[in-house]
Amino acid sequence: GAVVSQHPSRVICKSGTSVKIECRSLDFQATTMFWYRQFPKQSLMLMATSNEGSKATYEQGVEKDKFLINHASLTLSTLTVTSAHPEDSSFYICSAPMAEKLFFGSGTQLSVL
Amino acid sequence: AQKITQTQPGMFVQEKEAVTLDCTYDTSDPSYGLFWYKQPSSGEMIFLIYQGSYDQQNATEGRYSLNFQKARKSANLVISASQLGDSAMYFCAMREAPNSGNTPLVFGKGTRLSVIA
Repeated sequence: GAVVSQHPSRVICKSGTSVKIECRSLDFQATTMFWYRQFPKQSLMLMATSNEGSKATYEQGVEKDKFLINHASLTLSTLTVTSAHPEDSSFYICSAPMAEKLFFGSGTQLSVL
Repeated sequence: AQKITQTQPGMFVQEKEAVTLDCTYDTSDPSYGLFWYKQPSSGEMIFLIYQGSYDQQNATEGRYSLNFQKARKSANLVISASQLGDSAMYFCAMREAPNSGNTPLVFGKGTRLSVIA
């Protein structure tokens, strides 16, 4: 299957700092990528849809100024958590579609102290 | 309204036995895709099987098969000959208009499967 690379896999940061998470499609182009968040023992919730060359579309309740998304090329989307707070601690995972299927990165565990 | 419903928070199965994980869905779109993913404790989402709404036959991938009953809007996952390594969280998901390119997956709440030796 297609490969989606996500970095870093784990990050610990201080409250108030910003963290950037990268999501790359390695062997295919993705004009659209999806960012999900998963709290412990819960399901994946869609945060936003990243669109190459245009603004991201955010789900209701997701602060666009806090979760900055940039889709700079056909293979790279980034999610920046700005001014992180402990309540932002979560598992973040990206996915990219290829035909009818979606392939996922390995996820990023963010811990904000 | 919940689009994907998984009614089993947890399931136990004896090693080498078969197990069925339930999933029902709700959509008015005639074109959709149904997915099952496995999520081990590492967090990665492992794609298991896909069923398109227009597919005539049930999808199969090795030990995984999808029991697709369109009229009942159910897409149960059957794992045959369970192995200890199958212990994980399993998510059912749906994608409407899957060939449009820009529709996301919507996930159920998941079922935690534990395989007992």
